[in-house]
Amino acid sequence: QVQLQESGPGLVKPSETLSLTCTVSGGSISGYYWSWIRQPPGKGLENIGHIYYRGSTDYNPSLKSRVTISVDTSKNQFSLKLSSVTASDTAVYYCARYTSYYFGSGRGYYYYLDVWGKGTTVTVSS
Amino acid sequence: DIVMAQSPLSLPVTPGEPASISCRSSQSLLHRNGYNYLDWFLQRPGQSPQLLIYLGSNRASGVPDRFSGSGSGTDFTLTISRVEAEDVGVYYCMQALETRTFGQGTKVEIK
Repeated sequence: QVQLQESGPGLVKPSETLSLTCTVSGGSISGYYWSWIRQPPGKGLENIGHIYYRGSTDYNPSLKSRVTISVDTSKNQFSLKLSSVTASDTAVYYCARYTSYYFGSGRGYYYYLDVWGKGTTVTVSS
Repeated sequence: DIVMAQSPLSLPVTPGEPASISCRSSQSLLHRNGYNYLDWFLQRPGQSPQLLIYLGSNRASGVPDRFSGSGSGTDFTLTISRVEAEDVGVYYCMQALETRTFGQGTKVEIK
């Protein structure tokens, strides 16, 4: 079955750019939406944003000015860049896949998060 | 942003007994297509979140039928008919009508 694996530096300095990659194995990145979600230590989940395999994106408005999500279908990977990081960006970062549910009768689709990576811890500190 | 509020934030439970968690949204999650755009997740200790319920009441693949979701509009409930030890963890609701936002989480632990 499909598995997701986050990778990237575990330590980033304040004001620098956090860069993470999610590698999709056991299935194709094509045809799906892909997401980044984070969880600060001891806190709840925060949506960062998502990307369609063709490249269209949607970002959390509170992070939009600092976030870029991109996709590389040739490598079956998608990536997150978060610029100008501070200590408040310290978190476990998860990548996840959206799967579609068709309503039928031309009423479109619903997308739900059905596969998650194990998460990677990123600490922002000098 | 749509704000999600869960209650209680902590829920001690007894194995074999029922349990329920409430989730309220700051605006209606009822889409014009008649579906409620709300999902429920469980994050077991040390694990990634896993999907339990989507569209308010649809159980995800492999989820035991002791889990059920109900509600409409702004008020939703996740019910566990008979709690088992493996159900401990933090439960989150998440709205999917706009850019997704999560509730604060409800920590379920055995009494």
